[in-house]
Amino acid sequence: NAGVTQTPKFQVLKTGQSMTLQCAQDMNHEYMSWYRQDPGMGLRLIHYSVGAGITDQGEVPNGYNVSRSTTEDFPLRLLSAAPSQTSVYFCASSAQAGGPNEQFFGPGTRLTVL
Amino acid sequence: GEDVEQSLFLSVREGDSSVINCTYTDSSSTYLYWYKQEPGAGLQLLTYIFSNMDMKQDQRLTVLLNKKDKHLSLRIADTQTGDSAIYFCAESPLAGYNKLIFGAGTRLAVHP
Repeated sequence: NAGVTQTPKFQVLKTGQSMTLQCAQDMNHEYMSWYRQDPGMGLRLIHYSVGAGITDQGEVPNGYNVSRSTTEDFPLRLLSAAPSQTSVYFCASSAQAGGPNEQFFGPGTRLTVL
Repeated sequence: GEDVEQSLFLSVREGDSSVINCTYTDSSSTYLYWYKQEPGAGLQLLTYIFSNMDMKQDQRLTVLLNKKDKHLSLRIADTQTGDSAIYFCAESPLAGYNKLIFGAGTRLAVHP
């Protein structure tokens, strides 16, 4: 059981380039989400999905796209990278809609946009 | 609106107790959480408390909830160097059950 995996661990982009951050989980969780972590600001929700084929915006969605074609995968796409998107990105998943919401986090992707 | 605030830094001596404080604004929150982040890693759930409870104890961890003041605290007894990490307080508002609203995190430094 690998839990939540993210690739790549590190990435450097130039302004205007596009890329996809990969996230996968093998726990059969319905709920998946993407956060960004910036110094002194905690984690902010970018996009989330409550199941395959269903996605919605979080707190800071601009500049990012997501899709959820399978239960396991939830990629995050940056269409035209900007320096303001320099951050650490975390993917998370959780199982159920009732009871405590334990979210399982991946190890993160550190992205630098020059 | 939803907001979670916590102090950014705490330094304690090994063996002492640590108390990390958090305030939140959404009175409809059903659960409140403490997550731990070690260097270079993702967040890991430490403990949580249901909003109708005042206290929860789990080995060296004690969570206190003052719902009237919207204040949450995490006490770590007999703090060890392995407890050095960033601790995040989070709430899950009733309106967005699976969403978590995080504080900025408190960096705990444990020194000999």
